[in-house]
Amino acid sequence: NAGVMQNPRHLVRRRGQEARLRCSPMKGHSHVYWYRQLPEEGLKFMVYLQKENIIDESGMPKERFSAEFPKEGPSILRIQQVVRGDSAAYFCASSPGFRYEQYFGPGTRLTVT
Amino acid sequence: GIQVEQSPPDLILQEGANSTLRCNFSDSVNNLQWFHQNPWGQLINLFYIPSGTKQNGRLSATTVATERYSLLYISSSQTTDSGVYFCAVEGGTASKLTFGTGTRLQVTL
Repeated sequence: NAGVMQNPRHLVRRRGQEARLRCSPMKGHSHVYWYRQLPEEGLKFMVYLQKENIIDESGMPKERFSAEFPKEGPSILRIQQVVRGDSAAYFCASSPGFRYEQYFGPGTRLTVT
Repeated sequence: GIQVEQSPPDLILQEGANSTLRCNFSDSVNNLQWFHQNPWGQLINLFYIPSGTKQNGRLSATTVATERYSLLYISSSQTTDSGVYFCAVEGGTASKLTFGTGTRLQVTL
């Protein structure tokens, strides 16, 4: 039973470019969460999605960040016009339902140069 | 929002020693999870424990929800236990984890 998959594992972008991070949940899981870990810090919640719906985006920066979880395919976290402060590890988690145990992927490490 | 505090922030142990990590939270919770972030950055689920006691090999955890704390016990520590241990809780009406700042554990030979 495959775990949560994220790609790419490492992503380097120049300032002003776009970053697209992908997350495939565990089989049977329809709830996806994105978290961000800045260097030497804990993880911070960004957004919670179900298929085709954003349930809670209270942790998303107001500009440049967006997330989707389409009916088919992985969840996508999109960061437009990246800045150096966006450099972080971005983790995706999935669960089978509301308030169930969350399982984390290996993360995508974004470096903005 | 809910606050999560972990102690100690740093811990150095010799291989074979035992340790107790603590997680305090400021409000009632629906879920509580413990994670180990290994030196490669991967987050590994240790326990899903909103209340009660669980054991898995050399690790065990206890959550006393009425007193708003959880403890993670590591016995006979090994160098592979090194890394950062996070407690994360889910409270209120939301379904999102709030993480503590972690306990950084280093196990030496």
